[in-house]
Amino acid sequence: NAGVTQTPKFQVLKTGQSMTLQCAQDMNHEYMSWYRQDPGMGLRLIHYSVGAGITDQGEVPNGYNVSRSTTEDFPLRLLSAAPSQTSVYFCASSYSVRGQINYGYTFGSGTRLTVV
Amino acid sequence: AQKITQTQPGMFVQEKEAVTLDCTYDTSDQSYGLFWYKQPSSGEMIFLIYQGSYDEQNATEGRYSLNFQKARKSANLVISASQLGDSAMYFCAMRDDANFNKFYFGSGTKLNVKP
Repeated sequence: NAGVTQTPKFQVLKTGQSMTLQCAQDMNHEYMSWYRQDPGMGLRLIHYSVGAGITDQGEVPNGYNVSRSTTEDFPLRLLSAAPSQTSVYFCASSYSVRGQINYGYTFGSGTRLTVV
Repeated sequence: AQKITQTQPGMFVQEKEAVTLDCTYDTSDQSYGLFWYKQPSSGEMIFLIYQGSYDEQNATEGRYSLNFQKARKSANLVISASQLGDSAMYFCAMRDDANFNKFYFGSGTKLNVKP
Protein backbone atom coordinates (compact mmCIF):
# COMPACT_ATOMS: atom_id res chain seq x y z
CA ASN A 1 0.00 0.00 0.00
CA ALA A 2 1.34 3.40 -0.97
CA GLY A 3 -0.96 5.29 1.44
CA VAL A 4 -0.82 9.01 0.73
CA THR A 5 1.73 10.05 -1.89
CA GLN A 6 2.88 13.64 -2.26
CA THR A 7 5.03 15.04 -5.01
CA PRO A 8 7.39 16.77 -5.21
CA LYS A 9 9.23 16.38 -1.90
CA PHE A 10 11.14 19.62 -2.35
CA GLN A 11 10.50 22.67 -4.51
CA VAL A 12 11.98 26.13 -4.90
CA LEU A 13 9.84 28.77 -6.60
CA LYS A 14 10.39 32.35 -7.54
CA THR A 15 7.93 34.96 -6.35
CA GLY A 16 4.98 35.11 -8.71
CA GLN A 17 5.37 31.62 -10.16
CA SER A 18 2.56 29.14 -9.98
CA MET A 19 2.74 25.44 -9.33
CA THR A 20 0.68 22.43 -8.28
CA LEU A 21 1.45 20.16 -5.37
CA GLN A 22 0.20 16.67 -6.10
CA CYS A 23 -1.50 14.36 -3.63
CA ALA A 24 -2.85 10.89 -4.27
CA GLN A 25 -4.21 8.21 -1.94
CA ASP A 26 -5.03 4.59 -2.64
CA MET A 27 -7.09 3.80 0.46
CA ASN A 28 -10.45 4.90 -0.96
CA HIS A 29 -10.68 7.60 1.72
CA GLU A 30 -13.47 10.07 1.16
CA TYR A 31 -11.91 12.87 3.18
CA MET A 32 -8.77 14.67 2.05
CA SER A 33 -7.09 17.81 3.34
CA TRP A 34 -4.12 20.08 2.86
CA TYR A 35 -2.22 21.55 5.77
CA ARG A 36 0.76 23.81 6.04
CA GLN A 37 3.26 23.55 8.86
CA ASP A 38 5.19 26.62 9.96
CA PRO A 39 7.70 26.75 12.83
CA GLY A 40 6.01 27.22 16.19
CA MET A 41 2.50 27.11 14.74
CA GLY A 42 1.63 23.47 14.33
CA LEU A 43 -0.41 22.50 11.28
CA ARG A 44 -3.04 24.76 9.82
CA LEU A 45 -5.80 23.67 7.49
CA ILE A 46 -5.72 25.20 4.00
CA HIS A 47 -8.49 23.40 2.10
CA TYR A 48 -10.37 20.18 2.50
CA SER A 49 -12.67 17.88 0.59
CA VAL A 50 -15.37 15.48 1.78
CA GLY A 51 -15.62 13.70 -1.55
CA ALA A 52 -15.12 14.00 -5.29
CA GLY A 53 -16.45 17.31 -6.54
CA ILE A 54 -16.76 18.84 -3.06
CA THR A 55 -14.19 21.18 -1.56
CA ASP A 56 -14.19 23.87 1.08
CA GLN A 57 -11.89 26.38 2.68
CA GLY A 58 -9.99 25.84 5.87
CA GLU A 59 -8.25 28.28 8.17
CA VAL A 60 -5.68 29.72 5.73
CA PRO A 61 -7.03 29.37 2.16
CA ASN A 62 -5.81 32.61 0.59
CA GLY A 63 -3.43 32.11 -2.31
CA TYR A 64 -4.37 28.46 -2.84
CA ASN A 65 -6.86 26.61 -5.00
CA VAL A 66 -7.97 22.99 -4.92
CA SER A 67 -10.15 20.67 -6.92
CA ARG A 68 -11.24 17.07 -6.40
CA SER A 69 -12.19 15.40 -9.67
CA THR A 70 -11.55 11.87 -8.37
CA THR A 71 -11.58 10.17 -4.99
CA GLU A 72 -7.86 9.45 -5.28
CA ASP A 73 -6.42 12.86 -6.17
CA PHE A 74 -6.45 16.22 -4.42
CA PRO A 75 -3.99 18.69 -5.96
CA LEU A 76 -3.14 22.02 -4.34
CA ARG A 77 -2.42 24.94 -6.64
CA LEU A 78 -0.41 27.99 -5.71
CA LEU A 79 -1.65 30.75 -7.95
CA SER A 80 1.15 33.30 -7.56
CA ALA A 81 3.78 32.20 -5.07
CA ALA A 82 4.81 34.57 -2.28
CA PRO A 83 7.63 34.25 0.28
CA SER A 84 4.92 33.92 2.98
CA GLN A 85 3.99 30.59 1.41
CA THR A 86 7.36 29.11 2.28
CA SER A 87 6.35 26.17 4.41
CA VAL A 88 6.04 22.42 4.65
CA TYR A 89 2.82 21.18 3.10
CA PHE A 90 1.07 18.02 4.18
CA CYS A 91 -1.72 16.21 2.42
CA ALA A 92 -3.85 13.91 4.54
CA SER A 93 -6.79 11.60 4.09
CA SER A 94 -9.21 9.76 6.33
CA TYR A 95 -12.30 7.62 6.36
CA SER A 96 -15.67 9.24 6.68
CA VAL A 97 -17.44 6.35 8.35
CA ARG A 98 -17.82 6.95 12.07
CA GLY A 99 -16.69 3.48 13.03
CA GLN A 100 -13.42 3.92 11.20
CA ILE A 101 -12.45 7.40 12.23
CA ASN A 102 -10.51 6.61 15.33
CA TYR A 103 -7.19 6.75 13.59
CA GLY A 104 -7.70 10.22 12.24
CA TYR A 105 -5.62 11.13 9.29
CA THR A 106 -3.09 9.27 7.24
CA PHE A 107 -0.51 11.84 6.26
CA GLY A 108 1.70 12.10 3.24
CA SER A 109 5.42 12.64 3.73
CA GLY A 110 5.21 16.36 3.05
CA THR A 111 6.45 18.85 0.47
CA ARG A 112 9.02 21.39 1.55
CA LEU A 113 8.40 24.56 -0.47
CA THR A 114 10.66 27.58 -0.55
CA VAL A 115 9.62 30.78 -2.31
CA VAL A 116 12.42 33.21 -3.03
CA ALA B 1 -13.78 28.17 17.84
CA GLN B 2 -11.55 25.28 18.73
CA LYS B 3 -8.12 25.88 20.14
CA ILE B 4 -5.33 23.57 21.22
CA THR B 5 -2.60 24.69 23.60
CA GLN B 6 0.67 22.93 24.18
CA THR B 7 2.64 24.97 26.70
CA GLN B 8 5.89 23.02 26.60
CA PRO B 9 7.96 23.99 23.55
CA GLY B 10 10.69 21.55 24.54
CA MET B 11 11.29 18.85 27.13
CA PHE B 12 14.07 16.53 28.19
CA VAL B 13 13.63 13.09 29.72
CA GLN B 14 16.08 10.44 30.77
CA GLU B 15 15.93 7.17 28.89
CA LYS B 16 13.63 4.60 30.56
CA GLU B 17 11.78 7.26 32.55
CA ALA B 18 8.18 8.31 32.00
CA VAL B 19 7.26 11.72 30.60
CA THR B 20 4.02 13.69 30.34
CA LEU B 21 3.34 16.07 27.48
CA ASP B 22 0.64 18.60 28.24
CA CYS B 23 -2.30 19.51 26.04
CA THR B 24 -5.32 21.62 26.83
CA TYR B 25 -8.15 22.37 24.48
CA ASP B 26 -11.01 24.76 24.18
CA THR B 27 -14.28 23.85 22.53
CA SER B 28 -17.99 24.35 23.01
CA ASP B 29 -18.80 21.11 21.20
CA GLN B 30 -19.97 18.08 23.14
CA SER B 31 -18.69 15.43 20.78
CA TYR B 32 -15.09 15.55 19.66
CA GLY B 33 -11.96 13.48 19.30
CA LEU B 34 -8.48 14.09 20.64
CA PHE B 35 -5.36 12.80 18.93
CA TRP B 36 -1.64 12.75 19.43
CA TYR B 37 0.82 12.59 16.55
CA LYS B 38 4.57 12.10 16.53
CA GLN B 39 6.79 13.84 14.01
CA PRO B 40 10.39 12.55 13.95
CA SER B 41 13.17 14.52 12.33
CA SER B 42 12.41 12.80 9.04
CA GLY B 43 9.20 14.83 8.92
CA GLU B 44 6.37 12.30 8.62
CA MET B 45 3.34 12.51 10.88
CA ILE B 46 2.68 9.31 12.82
CA PHE B 47 -0.61 8.65 14.61
CA LEU B 48 -0.11 7.60 18.25
CA ILE B 49 -3.38 7.57 20.16
CA TYR B 50 -7.02 8.63 20.07
CA GLN B 51 -9.53 9.58 22.79
CA GLY B 52 -13.19 10.22 22.17
CA SER B 53 -14.95 12.82 24.27
CA TYR B 54 -17.50 10.26 25.46
CA ASP B 55 -14.95 7.58 26.27
CA GLU B 56 -14.99 6.98 30.00
CA GLN B 57 -11.64 5.25 30.16
CA ASN B 58 -8.32 6.75 29.24
CA ALA B 59 -6.93 5.47 25.96
CA THR B 60 -3.79 3.37 25.92
CA GLU B 61 -1.63 2.15 23.05
CA GLY B 62 1.43 0.24 24.16
CA ARG B 63 3.74 2.68 25.96
CA TYR B 64 1.42 5.61 25.20
CA SER B 65 -1.52 6.58 27.34
CA LEU B 66 -3.74 9.61 27.25
CA ASN B 67 -4.66 11.22 30.55
CA PHE B 68 -8.08 12.63 29.68
CA GLN B 69 -9.66 15.08 32.13
CA LYS B 70 -12.79 16.32 30.43
CA ALA B 71 -13.82 18.87 33.05
CA ARG B 72 -10.39 20.47 32.88
CA LYS B 73 -10.29 20.11 29.08
CA SER B 74 -6.91 18.47 29.17
CA ALA B 75 -5.56 15.52 27.18
CA ASN B 76 -2.02 14.88 28.28
CA LEU B 77 0.12 12.25 26.61
CA VAL B 78 2.09 9.96 28.91
CA ILE B 79 5.00 8.01 27.46
CA SER B 80 6.26 5.28 29.75
CA ALA B 81 9.80 3.88 29.68
CA SER B 82 11.13 6.47 27.23
CA GLN B 83 13.39 5.28 24.44
CA LEU B 84 15.93 7.17 22.35
CA GLY B 85 13.64 6.72 19.36
CA ASP B 86 10.95 8.73 21.14
CA SER B 87 12.93 11.92 20.48
CA ALA B 88 10.63 13.88 18.17
CA MET B 89 8.02 16.61 17.94
CA TYR B 90 4.65 15.69 19.41
CA PHE B 91 1.42 17.33 18.34
CA CYS B 92 -1.92 17.29 20.09
CA ALA B 93 -4.94 17.68 17.83
CA MET B 94 -8.69 17.88 18.15
CA ARG B 95 -11.46 17.09 15.71
CA ASP B 96 -15.06 18.15 16.02
CA ASP B 97 -17.17 15.06 15.38
CA ALA B 98 -19.63 17.16 13.39
CA ASN B 99 -16.88 17.71 10.84
CA PHE B 100 -14.48 14.82 10.58
CA ASN B 101 -12.36 16.62 8.10
CA LYS B 102 -11.23 19.49 10.29
CA PHE B 103 -8.40 18.97 12.72
CA TYR B 104 -6.99 21.66 14.96
CA PHE B 105 -3.37 21.21 15.97
CA GLY B 106 -1.32 22.56 18.82
CA SER B 107 2.08 24.12 18.24
CA GLY B 108 3.90 20.99 19.35
CA THR B 109 6.37 19.86 22.01
CA LYS B 110 9.92 18.85 21.12
CA LEU B 111 10.91 15.87 23.25
CA ASN B 112 14.54 14.93 23.69
CA VAL B 113 15.36 11.60 25.31
CA LYS B 114 18.79 11.53 26.93
CA PRO B 115 20.82 8.29 27.20
